[in-house]
Amino acid sequence: DAGVIQSPRHEVTEMGQEVTLRCKPISGHDYLFWYRQTMMRGLELLIYFNNNVPIDDSGMPEDRFSAKMPNASFSTLKIQPSEPRDSAVYFCASSLLGVGEAFFGQGTRLTVV
Amino acid sequence: KNEVEQSPQNLTAQEGEFITINCSYSVGISALHWLQQHPGGGIVSLFMLSSGKKKHGRLIATINIQEKHSSLHITASHPRDSAVYICAVSADSGYALNFGKGTSLLVTP
Repeated sequence: DAGVIQSPRHEVTEMGQEVTLRCKPISGHDYLFWYRQTMMRGLELLIYFNNNVPIDDSGMPEDRFSAKMPNASFSTLKIQPSEPRDSAVYFCASSLLGVGEAFFGQGTRLTVV
Repeated sequence: KNEVEQSPQNLTAQEGEFITINCSYSVGISALHWLQQHPGGGIVSLFMLSSGKKKHGRLIATINIQEKHSSLHITASHPRDSAVYICAVSADSGYALNFGKGTSLLVTP
């Protein structure tokens, strides 16, 4: 398996624009996590899914953020409208049975100007 | 207060030195993870453990559940070990990871 695949790797956008980040988990993994990393706060959970169903979205900062998992092989994280404070590295991770080893994607570095 | 505390925050060592990074946590956990992140790079899982000790090459991870403490040791350190090492826990109450702030390690030749 190629591992967890995220796209794009880098995204630069203007404030107010819509941004969509994409993630393909490892085949067979039933948990998918979206994390955000900033210098100030480190790594934080945004949301996670089990079998495509959102389980905990308490980390989603505002209504501007939304995440979907339409099938077992694809998830999106959307920010609309984007703001400069959303600039961060967004990681997607997947695991088997939730408590298994976590496999991370390479991350998407988002810059909102 | 963060549920996961790491020390030291920064660490510089000379090649060949024995390195220890510590992690303390305050919640009941199902597992503790040690992760590695190279500058500008992705995150790689080094260990997942819930008891005892694990070894992989020059890396050793230990955990003491009663004391809520874990250590990551690197023997015979090498410049390529330079990275940020992150401790994370899966709490009893859920599956998402709670992360420490990371330890930035620099190994000089």
